[in-house]
Amino acid sequence: QVQLQESGPGLVNPSGTLSLTCAVSGGSITNGNWWTWVRQPPGKGLELIGEIYHSGSTNYNPSLKSRVTILVDKSKNHFSLRLNSVTAADTAVYYCARKGSSWCFDLWGRGTLVTVSS
Amino acid sequence: DIQMTQSPSSVSASVGDRVTITCRASQDISRWLAWYQQKPGKAPELLIYAASSLQSGVPSRFSGSGSGTDFTLTISSLQPEDFATYYCQQGNSFPYTFGQGTKLEIK
Repeated sequence: QVQLQESGPGLVNPSGTLSLTCAVSGGSITNGNWWTWVRQPPGKGLELIGEIYHSGSTNYNPSLKSRVTILVDKSKNHFSLRLNSVTAADTAVYYCARKGSSWCFDLWGRGTLVTVSS
Repeated sequence: DIQMTQSPSSVSASVGDRVTITCRASQDISRWLAWYQQKPGKAPELLIYAASSLQSGVPSRFSGSGSGTDFTLTISSLQPEDFATYYCQQGNSFPYTFGQGTKLEIK
């Protein structure tokens, strides 16, 4: 079955760039789904960051749009997140997830904690 | 953005109890509503989509209802593994937004 796995640095300096990758295994990233990033600050709720289709089309949350880039690499069957100019407020568990046909998130990665600190 | 408001924020219940959690949207979202369960240190898991459709593999004690702006998640008979935090999420318009969560605790 399809699985998602996030990877990337767990510690980022303030004003730096957060970079994460989500590997899709057990299926193709070109199968018709949108692929998303969601984050969750410690002890808080869930926030959608943005989504990407295998064509490269993206939608970003307006609250983060000026700092976010999501890319897809079909050859590696993965997609990635870049968030620049990070602050402590960007400290969170970052999840990649698959958006299903009913505009919900039907498959999630395990998540990776990213801490913004010097 | 569409605001999603859950109530209560926390609830204490016992094994075997029937529990209902509500979610209200700030505008009409038709039936584009999903429910998730999240346990500590784990990713959320989809329970219900399209307001009332049960995700494959989810026990039938979970059910959802509602349309427009008001929705409910009901657990008919609580099991020990159901104690977790529950989130609603609207898929009507981007950016998709989540409720603040309802923590279901053991009484």
